[in-house]
Amino acid sequence: GAVVSQHPSRVICKSGTSVKIECRSLDFQATTMFWYRQFPKQSLMLMATSNEGSKATYEQGVEKDKFLINHASLTLSTLTVTSAHPEDSSFYICSASPRLTFGSGTRLTVV
Amino acid sequence: ELKVEQNPLFLSMQEGKNYTIYCNYSTTSDRLYWYRQDPGKSLESLFVLLSNGAVKQEGRLMASLDTKARLSTLHITAAVHDLSATYFCAGSNFGNEKLTFGTGTRLTIIP
Repeated sequence: GAVVSQHPSRVICKSGTSVKIECRSLDFQATTMFWYRQFPKQSLMLMATSNEGSKATYEQGVEKDKFLINHASLTLSTLTVTSAHPEDSSFYICSASPRLTFGSGTRLTVV
Repeated sequence: ELKVEQNPLFLSMQEGKNYTIYCNYSTTSDRLYWYRQDPGKSLESLFVLLSNGAVKQEGRLMASLDTKARLSTLHITAAVHDLSATYFCAGSNFGNEKLTFGTGTRLTIIP
């Protein structure tokens, strides 16, 4: 079956620093990657959609300069949380299309 | 804009009992998905429903779709403790895999 690898699974960083999260499709080419955010005990909210080789499309209310998304190849998309603050602490999950497979998620804690 | 509502938000039920989780959506949805999420984990795909009247079953879980009523249900038969988790429905439209999630139902099965 389709596998999407997401790293790291957990990260703790200091306020003001940047964190990069990687999402790799291991056995298929992901033309599109979706990035979701899930706050504790809440649902998943789409942050952005990225297509290989083009700029990401961000959902309303998501700061594109804060959440940098790169989709430079058909198997790798990255989300960088820049100048992280405690309110960015959340569970971040990617999914890859066309197989609609979710990564294992990244628990980000900003202290 | 697609909106997805789920109820109940919380469900506590005894082992051996039956219950149904409801998922209503606001506009035409190409597909309706059901996922399971265990605490601290990513999403596990349960069902994808593509057409009106679709019914799928796996073990003690059965999902159905009524596109005219814009309603999907997830029925649990003779619940067992292992089914304790949060269940999400999600819809997509316009032929892409950008998902709009419901609020989730936190299911607790009591021995």
